[in-house]
Amino acid sequence: GAVVSQHPSWVICKSGTSVKIECRSLDFQATTMFWYRQFPKQSLMLMATSNEGSKATYEQGVEKDKFLINHASLTLSTLTVTSAHPEDSSFYICSASPGTGSSYEQYFGPGTRLTVT
Amino acid sequence: GIQVEQSPPDLILQEGANSTLRCNFSDSVNNLQWFHQNPWGQLINLFYIPSGTKQNGRLSATTVATERYSLLYISSSQTTDSGVYFCAVVRSGTASKLTFGTGTRLQVTL
Repeated sequence: GAVVSQHPSWVICKSGTSVKIECRSLDFQATTMFWYRQFPKQSLMLMATSNEGSKATYEQGVEKDKFLINHASLTLSTLTVTSAHPEDSSFYICSASPGTGSSYEQYFGPGTRLTVT
Repeated sequence: GIQVEQSPPDLILQEGANSTLRCNFSDSVNNLQWFHQNPWGQLINLFYIPSGTKQNGRLSATTVATERYSLLYISSSQTTDSGVYFCAVVRSGTASKLTFGTGTRLQVTL
């Protein structure tokens, strides 16, 4: 149980284009979903938290107009990187939690490797 | 914000050896998770352990919340244990945001 999928697993795009990444909880309802970013040989950094049906909460320093998050249903959240630039190249990982409280485990997707050329 | 430090940063073991990984955190927490990130980047949940001790096969974990640390024990290590181990915490009184530690990179050799 507690499986989270991401699509695509990797994507290459040209500078200036937009890329959408999907995150789905396959066997549970995800009240809360999270988006993280990981640079090579570094730890995960939280970008934003989203609850179904409401606007995402972004961490300090994350441009909300550049990283658009939509939590459309209890099983789907999307991250759109708009007007991507080479510095946006990174490993993006989503997680999902069945509850809103801190006592709930988070379950992670396999990640999406984005390369902007 | 809360600081989460892991040690050692790198560890090389021969297959069959045992190891202990440590996670120190700077504030009180009400959620602590251990993860294994495999070479393809997938984070695998190992333990949800805000306090106490748990065991799962060759792995066990102990969190002493009052002293602000957690330990992950790996016994009889195998090459498939290689990867990066992260602990992550949710600071008490905050929302459910996980703060990840610095990670321990483990390599198990034959």
